[in-house]
Amino acid sequence: DTAVSQTPKYLVTQMGNDKSIKCEQNLGHDTMYWYKQDSKKFLKIMFSYNNKELIINETVPNRFSPKSPDKAHLNLHINSLELGDSAVYFCASSQAAAGNGYTFGSGTRLTVV
Amino acid sequence: SQQGEEDPQALSIQEGENATMNCSYKTSINNLQWYRQNSGRGLVHLILIRSNEREKHSGRLRVTLDTSKKSSSLLITASRAADTASYFCATDTNDYKLSFGAGTTVTVRA
Repeated sequence: DTAVSQTPKYLVTQMGNDKSIKCEQNLGHDTMYWYKQDSKKFLKIMFSYNNKELIINETVPNRFSPKSPDKAHLNLHINSLELGDSAVYFCASSQAAAGNGYTFGSGTRLTVV
Repeated sequence: SQQGEEDPQALSIQEGENATMNCSYKTSINNLQWYRQNSGRGLVHLILIRSNEREKHSGRLRVTLDTSKKSSSLLITASRAADTASYFCATDTNDYKLSFGAGTTVTVRA
């Protein structure tokens, strides 16, 4: 069983489209995250949710809207996609904030053309 | 800006050799963690060292932490081809996020 699963793995879409990435964790963790990894491999936090509540929104354009229907799911919806949104997006989860290691999903490679 | 900076950016070693990479950070931390990322994959948690610890071992991995210098090192002993990956340090400042460094790309030659 995959601990943190995100779909789709690859996403190619045109500028201006709206798309969603889904994430689910079966670890019983209370905190979930979205990270963006750019072409230089820099990983930057986008959002952090603890028990379905938004804790961190790290200066992300409001075209990005996370939704957490329950503790096990954190989805990411992106409106009006731009070329600069092309990156790999990682979902992760942890228990008790970041006091323990994170478990990462395998990533969604988003390409905006 | 990145909290952690890794050094070197890239490292190429022969199988069986040791690999050492360093991480420096800027602010006080709760703990520091190291992750591995194989090409095209997600990050895998390797080891966590708390701010009151100085050294930690896990299999062929040895991590040190010097909070006075705000630095950490990761040593991989007796490297194998399967150790080829990018290695990231990440700092936890107890605020519901980890801040990652830019990573060290390690290539182990057979």
